[in-house]
Amino acid sequence: KNQVEQSPQSLIILEGKNCTLQCNYTVSPFSNLRWYKQDTGRGPVSLTIMTFSENTKSNGRYTATLDADTKQSSLHITASQLSDSASYICVVSPNSGAGSYQLTFGKGTKLSVIP
Amino acid sequence: ETGVTQSPTHLIKTRGQQVTLRCSSQSGHNTVSWYQQALGQGPQFIFQYYREEENGRGNFPPRFSGLQFPNYSSELNVNALELDDSALYLCASSFRAQEETQYFGPGTRLLVL
Repeated sequence: KNQVEQSPQSLIILEGKNCTLQCNYTVSPFSNLRWYKQDTGRGPVSLTIMTFSENTKSNGRYTATLDADTKQSSLHITASQLSDSASYICVVSPNSGAGSYQLTFGKGTKLSVIP
Repeated sequence: ETGVTQSPTHLIKTRGQQVTLRCSSQSGHNTVSWYQQALGQGPQFIFQYYREEENGRGNFPPRFSGLQFPNYSSELNVNALELDDSALYLCASSFRAQEETQYFGPGTRLLVL
């Protein structure tokens, strides 16, 4: 069964600090991995998307890494801001030949940035 | 703002009732996917519509059904509501069925009493 596991479940950090969120997956064959930010009660917003051949992808203060051999990804947030408080969801898409629309979502890491 | 809209924003129903949720896709997009997100969980894929045809379905019973219209807007219908159907229902649109990026709407929060 395709699974996506995220850690930690929740995280509290001080404004201005950095943090790293982890994602392990068992989806195979693998097409791409995405990180989404979801504010409470809102729809997810895409941050980064990486194919199996990419190791890193940045979007402003967000940097995602991918190790397709160990099936691990991380999302690093630099110089956190209060507006970064949200859930961060790791989403894995199987190989397009198997139907890439069937995305597998992790449960998310709930990040709280405090002043 | 992604350009994907959903209505209503909130809804309260009682067990056994039927509900219809609506989604307008982003301009130029012909594919709509529906997801159910229970509290504290990641979204679960319900089904996808591509050019008015169902293009794949997750592990949901037949009482979850959908439609896509010629303008690519979509409806999610749930019959015989159960308490466990209480969740945030998200729709996402994309330019084509296997498009890498899906744009999510704000969701409809359904509470079943």
